[in-house]
Amino acid sequence: GAVVSQHPSRVICKSGTSVKIECRSLDFQATTMFWYRQFPKQSLMLMATSNEGSKATYEQGVEKDKFLINHASLTLSTLTVTSAHPEDSSFYICSAHPRTALGTDTQYFGPGTRLTVL
Amino acid sequence: QKEVEQNSGPLSVPEGAIASLNCTYSDRVSQSFFWYRQYSGKSPELIMSIYSNGDKEDGRFTAQLNKASQYVSLLIRDSQPSDSATYLCAVNDPYGGSQGNLIFGKGTKLSVKP
Repeated sequence: GAVVSQHPSRVICKSGTSVKIECRSLDFQATTMFWYRQFPKQSLMLMATSNEGSKATYEQGVEKDKFLINHASLTLSTLTVTSAHPEDSSFYICSAHPRTALGTDTQYFGPGTRLTVL
Repeated sequence: QKEVEQNSGPLSVPEGAIASLNCTYSDRVSQSFFWYRQYSGKSPELIMSIYSNGDKEDGRFTAQLNKASQYVSLLIRDSQPSDSATYLCAVNDPYGGSQGNLIFGKGTKLSVKP
């Protein structure tokens, strides 16, 4: 149980294009999904928190117009990197907090999406 | 400033030994504590959660929590080369706007030598 998928696992795009990453909770409903970014040999950086049906909450320094988050259902959240540039190249990881885990704070992570912007 | 501190390592132990990973946190109000394992190039994987003072054992893993000292640790018995990874300590953010908000440490890199 508690499986989270991400698609695509790897994407290479040209500078200036937009890339959409999907995060799905496969066997549970997620009240909250989180988006992280991780640069090589660095720690996880929380980008934003999204709750189903409401606007995402972005961490300080993360541009909400550049990183668009849509949490359309209890099992799907998407991150769109708009007008991507080489400095956006990173490992993007989502995680989900199960609805049944109310009262705990467990997060289950997706496998990540490696984005390379040329 | 909410902080979770870990020694970055690398921590090197021989195969079969006990690996001890430590973590301190700054916010006394925190109630949920987690250990995640992250292999190079992969996403984190939940190993253990602990909510009460004392020890919690799961197979070769034991999590220890001391809220008075704001300290949580992970012991790995009979360490195997496959345990070589970065271990992330995570603590709930009691002031986070959503359930499930965690504050992650930067991780301790563990290397188990055959």
